[in-house]
This record gives sequence, structure tokens and C-alpha cells, in this order.
Amino acid sequence: QKEVEQDPGPLSVPEGAIVSLNCTYSNSAFQYFMWYRQYSRKGPELLMYTYSSGNKEDGRFTAQVDKSSKYISLFIRDSQPSDSATYLCATGSGNTPLVFGKGTRLSVIA
Amino acid sequence: GAVVSQHPSWVICKSGTSVKIECRSLDFQATTMFWYRQFPKQSLMLMATSNEGSKATYEQGVEKDKFLINHASLTLSTLTVTSAHPEDSSFYICSASSPGTHTGVGFFGQGTRLTVV
Repeated sequence: QKEVEQDPGPLSVPEGAIVSLNCTYSNSAFQYFMWYRQYSRKGPELLMYTYSSGNKEDGRFTAQVDKSSKYISLFIRDSQPSDSATYLCATGSGNTPLVFGKGTRLSVIA
Repeated sequence: GAVVSQHPSWVICKSGTSVKIECRSLDFQATTMFWYRQFPKQSLMLMATSNEGSKATYEQGVEKDKFLINHASLTLSTLTVTSAHPEDSSFYICSASSPGTHTGVGFFGQGTRLTVV
């Protein structure tokens, strides 16, 4: 079993839709949970991160971590065409290399 | 958030030559930086962990003599692709973790697109 599983999509939604992106992980030692957005030919941009379990909200974005089920989610409300990108989940602990999901390609259609 | 700058953003070189890529942490000190490689439509593949003042740790299958990493200061790590060949063409990205409130969270550079002709 891979350490982080993420559905690669592609996922296509109409503008204004609520988008749900998900990952599962296997290592219970992971403490940091991150979501990155990557546009084509660019480096990943940190969107949100959470430490341990819980929810975190930033504008239209909400990140959730359920450590009991080892499940990570990112919700995007009122999605916009500018949200079209690849979204990568990542986990890690301390200063060790992050473990990434494969990324989900999202297209928001105007 | 912490800022990581990578240079150059793209480079074209002839087969057999060497190319150096720089990764700088602009507003924090990074004792550890990471180098990744990314092929089109694929996720990031960790190549090596760069430690300030010591030898880099390479992932299995990555040739350390081909991908030379130097982390001479707390704000700079370099990746040199030696004797580059067309199969080395790829997107190379570095990341660093900022100590303190963002410990464990990785910040990425803009990436370097290398094309070997």
C-alpha cells in the first residue's frame, strides 16, 4: 500500500460548484497535513496546512484531517476558473521529506 | 509564508554539459532542503535531501555522481546535473522547511525546467 493515495482525476466542475478533494494515508506517525496547488510549469504553492487533526478554514478553502480514519480532505466553495490546477496532498512529520499524493487535476468550467 | 527562490526558471543545455540550479531560502534559514524531479502529469519524486554542512542523502536509484548537491550555507543549496543527457530533461523543484511555527511544512521554489538537446 502506498503511503498516500490520491485520486488523480481529472475532475471537471462548473463554476460556483463545491469541490471535494480527498487523500488517504497509511502512516499514523504523520503529524503535518498539507494541500498544495500547482499550476502548469510552476512549483507547488502551499494552500493550507494543519497539524494533527481538525479543520482549518481560509476563505473559500477548508481543510479537514481525520486521523482516526487517516483521511485528508480539501473543500473549495464557490469554485472559480482560476482554481483550475493540480492539487497535491502531502503529509510528513518534523523535518523529514514530505510524502505526496499523485495530485488531482481540477478543471472549473465557466 | 516562507519564501523559497529557485534559479534559473528554465535552461536549455547541450548534451554532455553541466547545469547548476540554485535554491535559496529568502527569509529564513533552512538546515535541510529537498530536491524533487517531476515528469509531465506526474507527482513529485524525491531525489535527495540536502543538509547544510554535510553530504546529501540520495534516494534509491538516484545517481549521486550525476546529481551533485551542495548545501554550503543555511540559505543556499545547489543541484548540479553533470554530463547532462536528453533523458535528464525534466522539471526540478526544491523545497525547504522553515523552523518555528511552520516546522514540518514544506515551501517550494518556482521550479527549473531543464531541456537537454
